[in-house]
Amino acid sequence: SQTIHQWPATLVQPVGSPLSLECTVEGTSNPNLYWYRQAAGRGLQLLFYSVGIGQISSEVPQNLSASRPQDRQFILSSKKLLLSDSGFYLCAWSISGGYNEQFFGPGTRLTVL
Amino acid sequence: DQQVKQNSPSLSVQEGRISILNCDYTNSMFDYFLWYKKYPAEGPTFLISISSIKDKNEDGRFTVFLNKSAKHLSLHIVPSQPGDSAVYFCAAHTGTASKLTFGTGTRLQVTL
Repeated sequence: SQTIHQWPATLVQPVGSPLSLECTVEGTSNPNLYWYRQAAGRGLQLLFYSVGIGQISSEVPQNLSASRPQDRQFILSSKKLLLSDSGFYLCAWSISGGYNEQFFGPGTRLTVL
Repeated sequence: DQQVKQNSPSLSVQEGRISILNCDYTNSMFDYFLWYKKYPAEGPTFLISISSIKDKNEDGRFTVFLNKSAKHLSLHIVPSQPGDSAVYFCAAHTGTASKLTFGTGTRLQVTL
């Protein structure tokens, strides 16, 4: 069966510090991968998605970047965090091609102070 | 531009009764719709989906209805149980890389 891991679960960072959140998927090959953010009281906003190694599409302009160095690894980064980067970050995967539901990881609660 | 809207931020229903969660969308290119359930501090879990070629899909206590002409879908939960208390998100598929556009969610509280 497939599983998705995210770490860390919670993170408190000062403004201006760097960020690296990691997501890995097990039990599947060549998945589509996604990063979402849920701000307080808001819905899920798609930040990035990837259909293959090294292929990243950005959905919204922002202070963040994403990378996919391996087939089942997706990383969300920032060089300098802003207060507005606080939120709940979720990684998800889906089978590539067709109409497929996405499966979400447990999320990372990021607080920027 | 919110293409998927859930206009009711919260809903309270008695245990055993029907819960009806609503969702409206504006993009006629959406062709596949999904409902997710989310508990606090956890990732959403997939509940049920419906293709745009259907108007109803049922799975146990959960039924999703789609009205394409009205660009409206709803999730019915019968009977509602206390464990159903969570935030429910509807989502629409846009056809590229299984990208989903999510609504803002409705918090369901099932009371005893």
